[in-house]
Formats: sequence, C-alpha cells, structure tokens
Amino acid sequence: QVQLQQSGAELAKPGSSVKISCKASGYTFTSYYISWIKQTTGQGLEYIGYINTGSGGTNYNEKFKGKATLTVDKSSSTAFMQLSSLTPDDSAVYYCASGGFAYWGQGTLVTVSS
Amino acid sequence: DIQMTQSPASLSASLGETVTIECRASEDIYSNLAWYQQKPGNSPQLLIYDANSLADGVPSRFSGSGSGTQYSLKINSLQSEDVASYFCQQYNNYPWTFGGGTKLELK
Repeated sequence: QVQLQQSGAELAKPGSSVKISCKASGYTFTSYYISWIKQTTGQGLEYIGYINTGSGGTNYNEKFKGKATLTVDKSSSTAFMQLSSLTPDDSAVYYCASGGFAYWGQGTLVTVSS
Repeated sequence: DIQMTQSPASLSASLGETVTIECRASEDIYSNLAWYQQKPGNSPQLLIYDANSLADGVPSRFSGSGSGTQYSLKINSLQSEDVASYFCQQYNNYPWTFGGGTKLELK
C-alpha cells in the first residue's frame, strides 16, 4: 500500500534551518507530484508548493518563496523540504502529500524556540 | 489567492443525524474542490474530490455537492467515528487554498 513516511520532530533555534524528509513506498515514485502543506492552530492549512518527482521542477506558493526549498532524490524515493531562516511563526506541523492528495505523510512537528 | 470560507466553524450533532457543512469560494472554482476529514493527531484524509466524487474506501454516507462558488459536504446517519474536523480545499487556482475547518462533535 502507498505510504509516505516523514522524518521526526525537530526543535530548532531562530535563524537556523531544518530539512524534513518524506519517503514514499508502495507506488512508482515518479508517478505523482509531492506537495507540502503547513498546519497551525491559528492559520489552519496552508499550501507551500509541489515538486515534480520526475523532473525536479517546483512550484511554490508566493508566500513560501525564500522560506521553503523542495528537492527530491529519486534513487531513494524521497522528497525533502528545507525551511530556512526559521522564526517562531514557522512552528507548525508540516505534511507531505501525493496522489492528488489521496496520500498523506504522518506529519512532522517543527518547533522554533530559543 | 482564492479565499475559502467554511461554515459553521463548529457543530454539535447527535448519532444518526444528518449533518451539512458549507464551503464558499471567493470566485468560481468550477467544482475543483476536495473535502478532507482530520481526526486529532492524524493527517487529513481525502473524502471527496471534484466536488462530488467519493474517494476510495470512504463510506457512502458521505457526499458532496455544489457548483460555482458554493459547495457542501453532507454526512448521513452520523456515526461516532465521524467526530473530527473537516476541511474544504480548492484546486482551481494556484496556490491551492483551504477552508478554515469545521469541528464536528457529538451532542
């Protein structure tokens, strides 16, 4: 069955970066784009962007340009999202999703605190 | 960006009742709308896509309808396992955007 396994929770300091992974299994990795979504209690669900897992091409929500960088490693069927220049506003649960949002990872909690 | 307005923000209903959640888009999204269910501590789960198509494995008591800017999710014969938050999402205009969510509780 299709699974998206995300990396574990991160505690990061303001100004630093984190890189979250999303390992896909149960399907041909390049069959689906992978999207990334941010969830907070205050702002709800926000769409960050997606990556074409075949070409590596990306499309970002303007709001997250400069904040998120999406990459992919086809050899390991893994997508990555790096979040840079972290502030407390970046504290959230981050999800990867594929298959037209039919499949979601379990989420990665990122906490930004000094 | 297209704004998605969901109502109500919270809802209390009894077992066996029929529940309807509404979602209004700030412009026509041509039925490019999905509904998700999210239980506490879990990821969102796709229920409905293309406004009225049931996702694989979703019970038939869930249904979606609507067009243009107005859409709704209906849950017939509410079950205890339906207690969750529900979100709509448009994918007509990039960036895709989500509604604020409806928290469904048992009365």
